Amino acid sequence: DTGVSQDPRHKITKRGQNVTFRCDPISEHNRLYWYRQTLGQGPEFLTYFQNEAQLEKSRLLSDRFSAERPKGSFSTLEIQRTEQGDSAMYLCASSLFVRAGYEQYFGPGTRLTVT
Amino acid sequence: DQQVKQNSPSLSVQEGRISILNCDYTNSMFDYFLWYKKYPAEGPTFLISISSIKDKNEDGRFTVFLNKSAKHLSLHIVPSQPGDSAVYFCAASGGGGADGLTFGKGTHLIIQP
Repeated sequence: DTGVSQDPRHKITKRGQNVTFRCDPISEHNRLYWYRQTLGQGPEFLTYFQNEAQLEKSRLLSDRFSAERPKGSFSTLEIQRTEQGDSAMYLCASSLFVRAGYEQYFGPGTRLTVT
Repeated sequence: DQQVKQNSPSLSVQEGRISILNCDYTNSMFDYFLWYKKYPAEGPTFLISISSIKDKNEDGRFTVFLNKSAKHLSLHIVPSQPGDSAVYFCAASGGGGADGLTFGKGTHLIIQP
């Protein structure tokens, strides 16, 4: 399977704990995006990378959230001191950017439940 | 402020007929538009896209129409099939599609036999 993969698929954690999610993009894609989706809403953009550089962060990305893409391949999204409002589906997407953008392809998501 | 709006939460269409899903946007900086399909417990699946320099793009049973003056786009599915039952999201982006996407809330399409 050469699509976008995410791990874990499900995560249940207690309020105040830290969690980390991983995303492996399609291998030739240089851009990687993180989104969050809550019930009844469309995905909301959080941040994106081109190779290892983080180029944009949404105002939704509070200081408890940090994302990295250390070698320009896989990425991690960490949430510190989780709150119940962090419960959501966290989606990763990747795309190929040369002189223009192309379609973003999504992974299956990580569902986070904060109790 | 919702920049991408899908005003129909659900739509029911008979199998074999045309499904038309609508989307409105407010941000004039958007220059790339996409439609995604989503099944429960899966990530969105890319369907079709259109650049703001075009007014129509077709791919098999799927056609997207863009009316820039009205800031409106629509997705036509002809003929509708049972496997088309899913939630459809309209998304928009600036930067030729390279930036983060802004999504609507989705329309749940139900294809009835």
